[in-house]
Amino acid sequence: GAVVSQHPSRVICKSGTSVKIECRSLDFQATTMFWYRQFPKQSLMLMATSNEGSKATYEQGVEKDKFLINHASLTLSTLTVTSAHPEDSSFYICSAYDRGRVTEAFFGQGTRLTVV
Amino acid sequence: AQSVTQLGSHVSVSEGALVLLRCNYSSSVPPYLFWYVQYPNQGLQLLLKYTSAATLVKGINGFEAEFKKSETSFHLTKPSAHMSDAAEYFCAVSGGGGTSYGKLTFGQGTILTVHP
Repeated sequence: GAVVSQHPSRVICKSGTSVKIECRSLDFQATTMFWYRQFPKQSLMLMATSNEGSKATYEQGVEKDKFLINHASLTLSTLTVTSAHPEDSSFYICSAYDRGRVTEAFFGQGTRLTVV
Repeated sequence: AQSVTQLGSHVSVSEGALVLLRCNYSSSVPPYLFWYVQYPNQGLQLLLKYTSAATLVKGINGFEAEFKKSETSFHLTKPSAHMSDAAEYFCAVSGGGGTSYGKLTFGQGTILTVHP
């Protein structure tokens, strides 16, 4: 299957700082990537859809100025949590969609963000 | 609009017993349905998927699921549980064509516990 690499797997940052999370498709071109957020003991909630070369589409209730998404190439999307606060602490997971395999998206390993 | 309901947030079985995890969906378009497994602090691993072909779908690790349109269900089963099956399982739905195939709506998750 296709491989999606997410980095870092864990990050601890101070309140007020920004954190960047990378999502890379290693062996396929991902025209679209998705960013999900998972609170402890909860399900995954879609935050935004990232399309290569265009602006991301955010789900209702997600602050686009706080969660900056960039999808500058067909293999890389980044999520930057700006001015992070403890309530932003969560598990963030990306998935990448391969237009050659239209029936599924492939998930990264996730990033555990802790804001102290 | 799409939604997924997983009946039972926790399921406990004995090793060697039948595993049954329930999933019902709602979709305004023909759905694609997925089951994923998640181990602590890890990403999602695809167990199996239904993409409008055979209604009985076989996946990895001995799991299978049957798509029942009349019941809007996609329950996950495994004839004999193994200790290594203990994890959290998510049912998800996508649909609508184009990149919507990669955009998933997840159920709440079911934690499977396997007793010796």
